[in-house]
Amino acid sequence: DAGVIQSPRHEVTEMGQEVTLRCKPISGHNSLFWYRQTMMRGLELLIYFNNNVPIDDSGMPEDRFSAKMPNASFSTLKIQPSEPRDSAVYFCASSATSGRGGNIQYFGAGTRLSVL
Amino acid sequence: RKEVEQDPGPFNVPEGATVAFNCTYSNSASQSFFWYRQDCRKEPKLLMSVYSSGNEDGRFTAQLNRASQYISLLIRDSKLSDSATYLCVVPTDSWGKLQFGAGTQVVVTP
Repeated sequence: DAGVIQSPRHEVTEMGQEVTLRCKPISGHNSLFWYRQTMMRGLELLIYFNNNVPIDDSGMPEDRFSAKMPNASFSTLKIQPSEPRDSAVYFCASSATSGRGGNIQYFGAGTRLSVL
Repeated sequence: RKEVEQDPGPFNVPEGATVAFNCTYSNSASQSFFWYRQDCRKEPKLLMSVYSSGNEDGRFTAQLNRASQYISLLIRDSKLSDSATYLCVVPTDSWGKLQFGAGTQVVVTP
C-alpha cells in the first residue's frame, strides 16, 4: 500500500514567492496533520484536520500560512509570501482516528523548503 | 513544564552494549504512548506502542511508570543501524493529536 505522499520533495524559492506543499494521506485515514521541523524548534504541529475539517490551527505561525483539505485524499499547505525563516522540513502525517485518541500517525517523506 | 521531556543526548553506545533513556510526560490522564524513530534527514517512523505497563519487541523494551509519569526505552545488543533520534510521543486529544518530545539521539559506535 502507498504511504503518505508529499510533493515536492525539495523546494527552493526566493523570499516573497508563494509556496504550495501537497499531501496525499493514506487511503481510509480520516485525520491529517501538518508539521514543521527545524533544528532549533524540533517537530512542531501546524494544523490538523479530521474528516476534512480543520480541528486546530493554533500552531500556524502567521497569517502567511494557510492549509486546506478539499477532500479526503488531498491537502495543501500554502505560504504566501515566503520568508527565509520559513526554511524547514515540512511533514504531512495521517492516521485513522477512532475518536478515542492514541492513534498511530504515519508520516510522509517530507518537503525540504529553502527560502533564499 | 513541557508536556513531553527527553534527554537530548547524544548517548554514545559501543556496538553490542545496552542503552536506556527516559521520557517524562505531564498529562497524568494519558493512556497510551509511542516511541518513534527518526533517522537523519528522514521522516519519523513508529518504533513501538506502549499501552499498559510496557512492551517488548526484539531488542527493544519500553516500560511505563504511571506513578512517576515516565516512559523508558531500552535497547539491548545495540547495532550500528540503531543510530537515530528516538522520539517519545504522547496523545493529547481524541482527534489523534500527538505531542512529540524533542528526541534523544543515540549514536552506536563500532
